[in-house]
Amino acid sequence: KNEVEQSPQNLTAQEGEFITINCSYSVGISALHWLQQHPGGGIVSLFMLSSGKKKHGRLIATINIQEKHSSLHITASHPRDSAVYICAVRFLNKFYFGSGTKLNVKP
Amino acid sequence: GAGVSQTPSNKVTEKGKYVELRCDPISGHTALYWYRQSLGQGPEFLIYFQGTGAADDSGLPNDRFFAVRPEGSVSTLKIQRTERGDSAVYLCASSLALNTEAFFGQGTRLTVV
Repeated sequence: KNEVEQSPQNLTAQEGEFITINCSYSVGISALHWLQQHPGGGIVSLFMLSSGKKKHGRLIATINIQEKHSSLHITASHPRDSAVYICAVRFLNKFYFGSGTKLNVKP
Repeated sequence: GAGVSQTPSNKVTEKGKYVELRCDPISGHTALYWYRQSLGQGPEFLIYFQGTGAADDSGLPNDRFFAVRPEGSVSTLKIQRTERGDSAVYLCASSLALNTEAFFGQGTRLTVV
């Protein structure tokens, strides 16, 4: 069993839909990162969370430490949101990565 | 630059050759991490530096892999006698300290033919 599990693995949505990607983890946690990876491999850090909720534009990330669960929400999705979204849990000096959720937003 | 820079962005090498991958972290960041991502998988940990020293190198797959950070800033990941299975995207990240936000480079795509 992986230390970090993401769901769904693949997600296809129509432009404008509300999207949720889930992440559950079994390791200890210092912080949780949501990352975005576009074709070509480049990674962008979207959020770092250790509690509660953060919002940036159309993106919202929440974390429940007791339940060891985090969600990434995208409101009013757009084709340019198409990417792989990766949940990464940081514990001390290590990151534990989920296998990613491949999102395709169709116009 | 303001972000983590990795060079080269792409590297194609023949099986058995030696390669070096470079990571320039954000200035002042003491923590530096190397990860690699094989096709279709999430990144896996290789090594973590705190300053000049490798605080945790438990993720290096074998003794063909070695990484240095002699002055506590730029790091080089070195792979000897490359094998086709080494083909992956090698990612570098840095953070100001252990529990602060980490910033990722764009990665180096290594292809061993």
